[in-house]
Amino acid sequence: EGQLVESGGGLIQPGGSLRLSCAASGFAVSNTYMNWVRQAPGKGLEWVSVLYSGATTYYADSVKGRFTISRDDSKNTLFLQMNNLRPEDTAVYYCAKETFFCTGDCYEGFDIWGQGTLVTVSS
Amino acid sequence: SSELTQDPTVSVALGQTVRITCQGDSLGTYFASWYQQKPGQAPVLVIYGKNKRPSGIPDRFSGSRSGNTAALIITGAQAADEADYYCNSRDSSGNHLVFGGGTKLTVL
Repeated sequence: EGQLVESGGGLIQPGGSLRLSCAASGFAVSNTYMNWVRQAPGKGLEWVSVLYSGATTYYADSVKGRFTISRDDSKNTLFLQMNNLRPEDTAVYYCAKETFFCTGDCYEGFDIWGQGTLVTVSS
Repeated sequence: SSELTQDPTVSVALGQTVRITCQGDSLGTYFASWYQQKPGQAPVLVIYGKNKRPSGIPDRFSGSRSGNTAALIITGAQAADEADYYCNSRDSSGNHLVFGGGTKLTVL
């Protein structure tokens, strides 16, 4: 089935940096699409970034140039390096495994989620 | 602003059928996936692709698509279905994913 466990959240001042980790078990992060999704307090879900199995990356406009997604295959762990943090980056950050396959039509969805880690950007 | 539009709130009587809709230009090309989120919990995938349910999701959950509108249908809503529901799909570029604003479902 698989499991994801995030860590690394906390309180950080505006302009600071933080690195989130997402340890995977039961599957290899190198063989699948891995995403970060965030949720500000009381708000909806916001997609942040994806790392494809071939190492292609994409970012939401709101974080492009400030956040970097990466992985360590030997540790089966996904990362999100967050620089120049802003108060509006305050959110619970989830990592999510994306299942993707095509049989004529293409099917995709986030089938495994972590429990989330809270990032608070405040002075 | 979100490229996928959902009604903020929907209500349904216990045991009745409810449709939660998601509208966006990209849905004419890409299927939506649907997520259920209860307070303090991570989202759970309930429908993806052309009406596919992950294992463990009750068969009262189904999905449909017509033009640029996707729908999550709950047939015989239960009290346990009261939650926030989010649709997700690719944006018009095809490279980014986007969530709808979410629908809070109340079971009366």
